[in-house]
Amino acid sequence: DTEVTQTPKHLVMGMTNKKSLKCEQHMGHRAMYWYKQKAKKPPELMFVYSYEKLSINESVPSRFSPECPNSSLLNLHLHALQPEDSALYLCASSHQDMAELNTEAFFGQGTRLTVV
Amino acid sequence: AQKVTQAQTEISVVEKEDVTLDCVYETRDTTYYLFWYKQPPSGELVFLIRRNSFDEQNEISGRYSWNFQKSTSSFNFTITASQVVDSAVYFCALSEQSNFGNEKLTFGTGTRLTIIP
Repeated sequence: DTEVTQTPKHLVMGMTNKKSLKCEQHMGHRAMYWYKQKAKKPPELMFVYSYEKLSINESVPSRFSPECPNSSLLNLHLHALQPEDSALYLCASSHQDMAELNTEAFFGQGTRLTVV
Repeated sequence: AQKVTQAQTEISVVEKEDVTLDCVYETRDTTYYLFWYKQPPSGELVFLIRRNSFDEQNEISGRYSWNFQKSTSSFNFTITASQVVDSAVYFCALSEQSNFGNEKLTFGTGTRLTIIP
C-alpha cells in the first residue's frame, strides 16, 4: 500500500470558520509533510513532522495549526483564513532512516481549499 | 540557497514524438538528491525518480530516461514515444539536508507537457 489519503478532496470555508484537513498513511513512514500549492506554482513546504514531533515550520502563519496525533495521521487545523489562502494543500510522507536520508516522498491527491 | 530552474514553461508535442524536459539546479551542498515528480490534473504528485549527487549514471525506465550531468548541474528527463497519458505538469526538485535531517524539497516551477493525439 503506497498511498497517502487526504480528506476532504474539496473544501469551501468562510473566513470565520474553523476546519481541519486530514492525512493518513499506512506505509510506516515516520516523516510527514504539509505543502501548499497555488495555481500554476510549485508546491511550497509548510511543515515537517518527524517521529510525531514538529521539526520544521517554514514561518507559516498561526492560522494554520498542524497536529500529528500518531505515526499514521497528520492534521492541519484552519482558523480565520484569508481568501489568499485558497490553494491545493498536499500531504506527503517519507521513510525516515538515519542511514538513508532524503528518501522519496509520497504525496496525496490534495485538498483543494477555497476561502470565501 | 538552493535553486531549481525549469526554463520550459509549456511544451506541446504530437503523440509518439520524443520530448526532453530540462532541469538546472544550484546548490552549495556536496551531498544532495534530485527528483522528478509528475502532477496529472487529478493533483497528486507522482514520484518518478531519485538520484543522489554521487551517482551520475544515466537511468532508463521503460519510455523514461534521465541524464544527470554534474559538470553542468543538469538533470534532464526524456520521454520516448510520448503518449497522451504523459500529459501533466512535471516538477524537478532538489533536496536539502536540514538540521533535523529531514528532506526539504526545493521544486522548480514545473513544465506543463501536452501530448497532442
